[in-house]
Amino acid sequence: AQSVAQPEDQVNVAEGNPLTVKCTYSVSGNPYLFWYVQYPNRGLQFLLKYITGDNLVKGSYGFEAEFNKSQTSFHLKKPSALVSDSALYFCAVREGDSGNTPLVFGKGTRLSVIA
Amino acid sequence: GAVVSQHPSRVICKSGTSVKIECRSLDFQATTMFWYRQFPKQSLMLMATSNEGSKATYEQGVEKDKFLINHASLTLSTLTVTSAHPEDSSFYICSARDSRGRGSQPQHFGDGTRLSIL
Repeated sequence: AQSVAQPEDQVNVAEGNPLTVKCTYSVSGNPYLFWYVQYPNRGLQFLLKYITGDNLVKGSYGFEAEFNKSQTSFHLKKPSALVSDSALYFCAVREGDSGNTPLVFGKGTRLSVIA
Repeated sequence: GAVVSQHPSRVICKSGTSVKIECRSLDFQATTMFWYRQFPKQSLMLMATSNEGSKATYEQGVEKDKFLINHASLTLSTLTVTSAHPEDSSFYICSARDSRGRGSQPQHFGDGTRLSIL
């Protein structure tokens, strides 16, 4: 069975500081990993994904994430946070080559960037 | 980029009303779409997987007679909440992945439907 853990319900960071939103996963095979962002009363917006290759993946709005196989982690990062980054962030996983199965989501982490 | 359109964005109706929510993939085909439900300050709960031309697959605990899903074409899936009651009030989100792509393609999401049953 696949699962995702986002250990932090809330992350607070000052504007201009680096931010990290944590995610660990569990799958039996190769993981396909994704990060999404959700703004109030909106659907989820795709940020980035890791499928294979370079462990550091870059995505939209200056976000990046680092895949760490030994720690089964896929933390989301940004060097300098903006107030507009304040939103709900979801990490998701599906097992590679598992057909058309849906993503499994973490419970989400609310990011607040304070001016 | 890939776009999923969900309509309506908000519904307010009386108890006992049936409500239909549409989900369309605008620039790609999707043999499979997914319907999620999200409670306040909580994660997405997968309700069902909608399969074009066949029956939907429901997650455990989701009443298939309550939440009717129809996926009549490669670009349209509908979720009908039948005889809705206040406990059905929630934020419903649909999602789809391009059928021509491999499993590495991301799921794309609609903007959700806020359903409020009075």
